[in-house]
Amino acid sequence: EVQLEQSGAEVKKPGESLKISCKGSGYSFTSYWIAWVRQMPGKGLEWMGIIYPADSDTTYSPSFQGQVTISVAKSISTAYLQWSSLKASDTAMYYCVRRPGGSYPDYWGQGTLVTVSS
Amino acid sequence: EIVLTQSPGTLSLSPGERATLSCRASQSVSRSYLAWYQQKLGQAPRLLIYGASSRATGIPDRFSGSGSGTDFTLTISRLEPEDFAVYYCQQYGSSAWTFGQGTKVEIK
Repeated sequence: EVQLEQSGAEVKKPGESLKISCKGSGYSFTSYWIAWVRQMPGKGLEWMGIIYPADSDTTYSPSFQGQVTISVAKSISTAYLQWSSLKASDTAMYYCVRRPGGSYPDYWGQGTLVTVSS
Repeated sequence: EIVLTQSPGTLSLSPGERATLSCRASQSVSRSYLAWYQQKLGQAPRLLIYGASSRATGIPDRFSGSGSGTDFTLTISRLEPEDFAVYYCQQYGSSAWTFGQGTKVEIK
């Protein structure tokens, strides 16, 4: 069974760093793209970027370029979304999404809620 | 970047009625790589339609998608109580995905 298991909710202060994770299981992790999607409270879905685990080829949305870092650890089938200095406006639910190459996004993680507050 | 505009913003209907949701793209969506999702409060989005018109696994046949190029439609033939939710379209044909802003289907 394909699963994307995301790390648990985080509460952080502005200026702190954070790395959240998305662990894939039940499939060949390196053969499928992993994207990250943000949903701010009461708002819609925003695509942040995507990575191909086999070679770490990464594309960022212009809105998120320079604001976050997407990476993978192939050995443990895990993708990451990282901030070096959080802002209150980073408060949101973050989802990872799997996409087979040349096909449609087919599996979503359960989401990680990040709360940034002083 | 392809901008997706959904209309209407809110659709107020009664159970049993037909719902028609629109998604218009600012430029042609490559290979009809257009998906529709349903999202309920506190849940992750659920894939309904991919490739503009193919139903995802387990999706009831009252949900149907149509369209190509820049104009796409999601139709729910007869609304069931569990269908009242927010619906998003998404294009995944370019290297940068984009989502529409969502249509809320609410009980009238």
